[in-house]
Amino acid sequence: EVQLLESGGGLVQPGGSLRLSCVASGFTFTDYAMNWVRQAPGKGLEWVSGFSGRGTNTYYADSVKGRVTISRDNSKNTLYLQMHSLRAEDTAIYYCAKDTGSGVGALGWYYFDSWGQGTLVTVSS
Amino acid sequence: IQMTQSPSTLSASVGDRVTITCRASQSVSNWLAWYQQKPGKAPKLLIHKASSLPSGVPSRFSGSGSGTEFTLTISSLQPDDFATYYCQQYNSYSRTFGQGTKVEIK
Repeated sequence: EVQLLESGGGLVQPGGSLRLSCVASGFTFTDYAMNWVRQAPGKGLEWVSGFSGRGTNTYYADSVKGRVTISRDNSKNTLYLQMHSLRAEDTAIYYCAKDTGSGVGALGWYYFDSWGQGTLVTVSS
Repeated sequence: IQMTQSPSTLSASVGDRVTITCRASQSVSNWLAWYQQKPGKAPKLLIHKASSLPSGVPSRFSGSGSGTEFTLTISSLQPDDFATYYCQQYNSYSRTFGQGTKVEIK
């Protein structure tokens, strides 16, 4: 059974930083791209960033480009999202989501078949 | 690619046939998924490749369409189906979602 467990959320002041983690189990981690998807309170879903299964292909939504860095440690089956210069509009539940593609180049990015329970990030003074 | 769902809210009764529409701002071929989300829970995959049901998804759910227009149909609404539904295109690495359709009890 696939399990994704996020952690690292919390309250942070505007301009602050935070690192989210997602520990994966139940599948071969390196076979799949991994993503972060967020949901602001009462709003819809927004893809934030993705990291390919093998190699180092990474992509970001325009709304976070330059302020966040996605990374993964395949030896620990863990995905990370380092966030800097946080703004009030970054307040959201951040979900870790397993891709059904491997993320090879610009292709191989598909839909999400497993999601974590989410971790809440609140940016407020 | 912008995804637009209609309606935003839908009121229906148990047993009703329900249809939700999703339109893409440009063709996404059949690279379209649907998710169901209940309050306080993560989204759950319902349909991929516009019309394919993953194992475990009830057959009352069906999807159709290609290019820029897609539909999600629930043939006979059940109490467990009251939730918010999102479409998502995966024609490119920059995946985008529709704004959601909330299915409420009439």
